[in-house]
Amino acid sequence: DVKVTQSSRYLVKRTGEKVFLECVQDMDHENMFWYRQDPGLGLRLIYFSYDVKMKEKGDIPEGYSVSREKKERFSLILESASTNQTSMYLCASSLGASFTYEQYFGPGTRLTVT
Amino acid sequence: GNSVTQMEGPVTLSEEAFLTINCTYTATGYPSLFWYVQYPGEGLQLLLKATKADDKGSNKGFEATYRKETTSFHLEKGSVQVSDSAVYFCATTGNQFYFGTGTSLTVIP
Repeated sequence: DVKVTQSSRYLVKRTGEKVFLECVQDMDHENMFWYRQDPGLGLRLIYFSYDVKMKEKGDIPEGYSVSREKKERFSLILESASTNQTSMYLCASSLGASFTYEQYFGPGTRLTVT
Repeated sequence: GNSVTQMEGPVTLSEEAFLTINCTYTATGYPSLFWYVQYPGEGLQLLLKATKADDKGSNKGFEATYRKETTSFHLEKGSVQVSDSAVYFCATTGNQFYFGTGTSLTVIP
């Protein structure tokens, strides 16, 4: 069965902290994605990666960075967390090098920055 | 870029009622179309998809038909259950995945 896991379901961090969100997929997918989900705004793409060590900015990359050292793992990094980064963060993966394939999502990490 | 527009919610229905959630898309080329569902506290799950015009996707009693002439991909179910209460997202492809803002459905017994 297809599986995307995220390191934490709930996370509380203080303003200015460096935050790491981890995502692992076991499907040997090429593409991996990080989204944030906010009420009324739907899903917004932060970054995606189509191969190991490759990354592309999405619609809202400011304040975030990513790392993909292994094919199965994609990390989202908040360099200095701020309260406006309080959100639900969703990781996804898909097969292939294009966007025509369906995406498989993890359960999400609800991050609160105080 | 491509985009989808889906009907605003929230939608509240009684059990066994008929469900329609409208979705229209704007796209160049021949995008794929998807419906995802998000149950409370969980990530998104693929519900159904269609990859070309006139394709019908179906799963768990839900259906949607890819209509190129009306640029639509409306989600339907003949008889909803309480367990269908969730948020439903329409999505299309292009340079990236484009999601609608979601439609919240509550089914009451």
